[in-house]
Amino acid sequence: GAVVSQHPSRVICKSGTSVKIECRSLDFQATTMFWYRQFPKKSLMLMATSNEGSKATYEQGVEKDKFLINHASLTLSTLTVTSAHPEDSSFYICSAGLAGSRDGGELFFGEGSRLTVL
Amino acid sequence: DAKTTQPNSMESNEEEPVHLPCNHSTISGTDYIHWYRQLPSQGPEYVIHGLTSNVNNRMASLAIAEDRKSSTLILHRATLRDAAVYYCILRDGTSGSRLTFGEGTQLTVNP
Repeated sequence: GAVVSQHPSRVICKSGTSVKIECRSLDFQATTMFWYRQFPKKSLMLMATSNEGSKATYEQGVEKDKFLINHASLTLSTLTVTSAHPEDSSFYICSAGLAGSRDGGELFFGEGSRLTVL
Repeated sequence: DAKTTQPNSMESNEEEPVHLPCNHSTISGTDYIHWYRQLPSQGPEYVIHGLTSNVNNRMASLAIAEDRKSSTLILHRATLRDAAVYYCILRDGTSGSRLTFGEGTQLTVNP
């Protein structure tokens, strides 16, 4: 099946620094990728929809200047947490579907990236 | 987004069938019913999806009510590795449409 890979899987940073998380579709092209965050014992919260070659669409309440999303190619989307603070510590997960899929088909999820801000 | 309702938790015994219910009374005609599961500290894993007819795959079966206002995920023989949070989600059948997660059902499998 299709594979989505995230890097890094874990990152620890100091407060005030920026952290970039990569999401790659390894064996398929994805015009659209999705970014989620998840707090302990909570469900996934959709942050934004990443569109290849255009601006991301952010969900209500998500700061676009805080969480910068770039989708420069059909296989790579990046999420940059700018000026990270301890409250940004979370599990970040990306997902992608097959480009052109018109039947509401399955999404493939990355392994997740755990961010800890000290 | 159309909402789904699932029990917070369920328990099963190993090697017994498990029926996980989901209510989605406000489903629209273009919504597909998706099921995903998530193990601790991992990304969600696709289980199955369908539109109107019942579906079977190697992992599970999906039974969809005739009025489509509810569905049931069936694990035919639960194993300890099936212990996870199971999410029932409606996804519009438009290319690129998003997936919004609810709270899901925590399935515990007893040996």
